[in-house]
Amino acid sequence: DAKTTQPPSMDCAEGRAANLPCNHSTISGNEYVYWYRQIHSQGPQYIIHGLKNNETNEMASLIITEDRKSSTLILPHATLRDTAVYYCIVRVGSGGYQKVTFGTGTKLQVIP
Amino acid sequence: EAQVTQNPRYLITVTGKKLTVTCSQNMNHEYMSWYRQDPGLGLRQIYYSMNVEVTDKGDVPEGYKVSRKEKRNFPLILESPSPNQTSLYFCASSFGSLAVARELFFGEGSRLTVL
Repeated sequence: DAKTTQPPSMDCAEGRAANLPCNHSTISGNEYVYWYRQIHSQGPQYIIHGLKNNETNEMASLIITEDRKSSTLILPHATLRDTAVYYCIVRVGSGGYQKVTFGTGTKLQVIP
Repeated sequence: EAQVTQNPRYLITVTGKKLTVTCSQNMNHEYMSWYRQDPGLGLRQIYYSMNVEVTDKGDVPEGYKVSRKEKRNFPLILESPSPNQTSLYFCASSFGSLAVARELFFGEGSRLTVL
């Protein structure tokens, strides 16, 4: 299984871009990178995913390095509501989710 | 509304008293999974199911059972709960199997305390 490594915590000023890194050096060629976030003890919420190209949606941007060994989630204008734990995961197996390891994530604190 | 529903949301029980946490999804998802979350340990997968009658162990299956008799339901069974199973539990579902993996949809969580 490809595992991910994230810093345990980060701070970001409100209105600034939050850049959350993730290392996944053992990722396989057909594995996707997914990002989720969890606010307090609610169920995690999907943010974005990608394979090799950079991706953007209404919530965030995902930048994946050319060698695919790391990625960065970018929240372009962080707000207080973005304070949460962010998880970077790699989809293992073929044909869909199977065993999914979430790890401990990065606790992002957005500061007023 | 598309959702994953877990019950009960909160439960306090005693050691050895069998309990079941139900999980139901209304999105016709093939894939369903259970996680537990403990302080400092993140989300750990207990069991998952790729489709009806197909289940497999995650990272921490000891002390738990699951069944997948219907596509929409995936109950988590604690035959003889112990205090170390005190945790916050999440059920999740997604399209999967032969399709390109889509995002996981999570339930709101079930907080279980075993005395």
